[in-house]
Amino acid sequence: SQQGEEDPQALSIQEGENATMNCSYKTSINNLQWYRQNSGRGLVHLILIRSNEREKHSGRLRVTLDTSKKSSSLLITASRAADTASYFCATYSNDYKLSFGAGTTVTVRA
Amino acid sequence: ETGVTQTPRHLVMGMTNKKSLKCEQHLGHNAMYWYKQSAKKPLELMFVYNFKEQTENNSVPSRFSPECPNSSHLFLHLHTLQPEDSALYLCASSQDGTSRTDTQYFGPGTRLTVL
Repeated sequence: SQQGEEDPQALSIQEGENATMNCSYKTSINNLQWYRQNSGRGLVHLILIRSNEREKHSGRLRVTLDTSKKSSSLLITASRAADTASYFCATYSNDYKLSFGAGTTVTVRA
Repeated sequence: ETGVTQTPRHLVMGMTNKKSLKCEQHLGHNAMYWYKQSAKKPLELMFVYNFKEQTENNSVPSRFSPECPNSSHLFLHLHTLQPEDSALYLCASSQDGTSRTDTQYFGPGTRLTVL
């Protein structure tokens, strides 16, 4: 069953702007992961944040995690055309299955 | 490149055809996965193999038949598919299929169209 849900479903921004998307999940987690998928391609792992971490950075990516609200956010700063993709959060269920949300589609306009 | 390759990249088949999808990982991982991605829907886990043993069959119809001859190769055999089976089929691998901290590495997918 789907564990994470991303919000918004779609996001359109101008190049250079920041993009923020959110993920909510249902059960307790060990960690939460974010993946990117370019159109018609496979998913690429971006970042993993553990349940005892509140914030993590990787290049232009900033991820936050609020376990009390069961939510996470992904911020992409100074967006580029190459950031146009779908972004998914994913968490492991108790039976070791990685469950993905439906994703946020980000379009960066030149 | 993620170290996971899939062939073919595109496949068009009739409902009576038999075809196979192939996945190979060059990462030394022990777990491999098949996912189905349909438009506007979350990824659906289909099968999991851990150390060549199938550990998950997520209620997948028998017209999909997986095969894992070794830890590096995974096949998905297709027969008498339905048009609603048209989707992007993604293969992934990870170090350990019984870990909740694993990162999964995905192949580029096979775009399947069933006529």
